[in-house]
Amino acid sequence: DTEVTQTPKHLVMGMTNKKSLKCEQHMGHRAMYWYKQKAKKPPELMFVYSYEKLSINESVPSRFSPECPNSSLLNLHLHALQPEDSALYLCASSQDYSEQYFGPGTRLTVT
Amino acid sequence: AQKITQTQPGMFVQEKEAVTLDCTYDTSDQSYGLFWYKQPSSGEMIFLIYQGSYDEQNATEGRYSLNFQKARKSANLVISASQLGDSAMYFCAMREFAYNTDKLIFGTGTRLQVFP
Repeated sequence: DTEVTQTPKHLVMGMTNKKSLKCEQHMGHRAMYWYKQKAKKPPELMFVYSYEKLSINESVPSRFSPECPNSSLLNLHLHALQPEDSALYLCASSQDYSEQYFGPGTRLTVT
Repeated sequence: AQKITQTQPGMFVQEKEAVTLDCTYDTSDQSYGLFWYKQPSSGEMIFLIYQGSYDEQNATEGRYSLNFQKARKSANLVISASQLGDSAMYFCAMREFAYNTDKLIFGTGTRLQVFP
């Protein structure tokens, strides 16, 4: 089973709201990732957790706050976002340095 | 400099025909991995195929094969017997193992459209 799940599928939020994106994998993978993807562009890496510790932060603004409560779960907390943060947010997981398996994504619209 | 280059923004292919999507890469690392992903309009990135830099044989997975030419630094994806469901965006990606990093470097993608 190579399934990564993400909730919600769609999210509309105002610039003063606080919301969270959730990601879950049950493949025992050691690494989990958050990507941001704008239309017609490749995914851009935001954060990487390895063995539940933050290993890569690609200079992401502090209005995005990741959290890894356990080895299966990854959250992305959103606060005071801007309209330009509207995008598809993808979660992925991988074991070792092999292929990454992606979830279906959350389409975020900031109004 | 671009590390992964996909020069075809869009490609058309007729159903049941084969199609090649181009990918060239740039690295000074001897040890690296090359990946192809498919992204339908629904948004999910689907892993298709992997080629390691030391693999002597070209990778194959069902109708997908990777034409790996190390000296030319190219890793083209060949889809045989195209199906309507193959219409999607295709991304080539690379991981450089020397840096012991989880980062995947993506190309800009090629949009493939399969017509009946």
